Amino acid sequence: AQSVTQPDIHITVSEGASLELRCNYSYGATPYLFWYVQSPGQGLQLLLKYFSGDTLVQGIKGFEAEFKRSQSSFNLRKPSVHWSDAAEYFCAVGAAGANNLFFGTGTRLTVIP
Amino acid sequence: NAGVTQTPKFRILKIGQSMTLQCAQDMNHNYMYWYRQDPGMGLKLIYYSVGAGITDKGEVPNGYNVSRSTTEDFPLRLELAAPSQTSVYFCASSYSPASGVYNEQFFGPGTRLTVL
Repeated sequence: AQSVTQPDIHITVSEGASLELRCNYSYGATPYLFWYVQSPGQGLQLLLKYFSGDTLVQGIKGFEAEFKRSQSSFNLRKPSVHWSDAAEYFCAVGAAGANNLFFGTGTRLTVIP
Repeated sequence: NAGVTQTPKFRILKIGQSMTLQCAQDMNHNYMYWYRQDPGMGLKLIYYSVGAGITDKGEVPNGYNVSRSTTEDFPLRLELAAPSQTSVYFCASSYSPASGVYNEQFFGPGTRLTVL
């Protein structure tokens, strides 16, 4: 069965510090992987996606993620966090021919001065 | 382009009432989706549509109905509201060509529904 695990419910980092949000997936087919961000009271915005090719993908707002097939992981990273990055982050997995995405339970990021 | 729009933004219902959540997209996307998001949880798929006139159940369809008469609109109907349907509802759309290539979904701002 398809599933996405985000093991960290809540992470707090200082502004300017580096960030890594973890995502592990279970999917029988070749996965398409996504990271979405949700600011309070807002809808989801796509940060980046991986379909194929280079396993290190760049996204908006200075985020990047690395697909590691051997670890079934797609961790999100940012070298220097800004206060405006405080939000909820969701990892999602889909596949060619599939009709929906499977979402993780999200990681809430708090940024302290 | 407005993208994906949803109305209303907020709604309080009494148990047993019915309502329709509206969703529209102006990107000519063939796929449309309805998700619900419960506190501390990820999004769960309620229904989806691959084109006008075609709908199918997702992971949590009970208590809901949908229709897709046009490419642009995908309303979600709650017939007999129950407290368990208190949630935030998101509509999304995507374009998938006939070859089955997967593309990302674009989300609306959500409707916060409370059933008391």
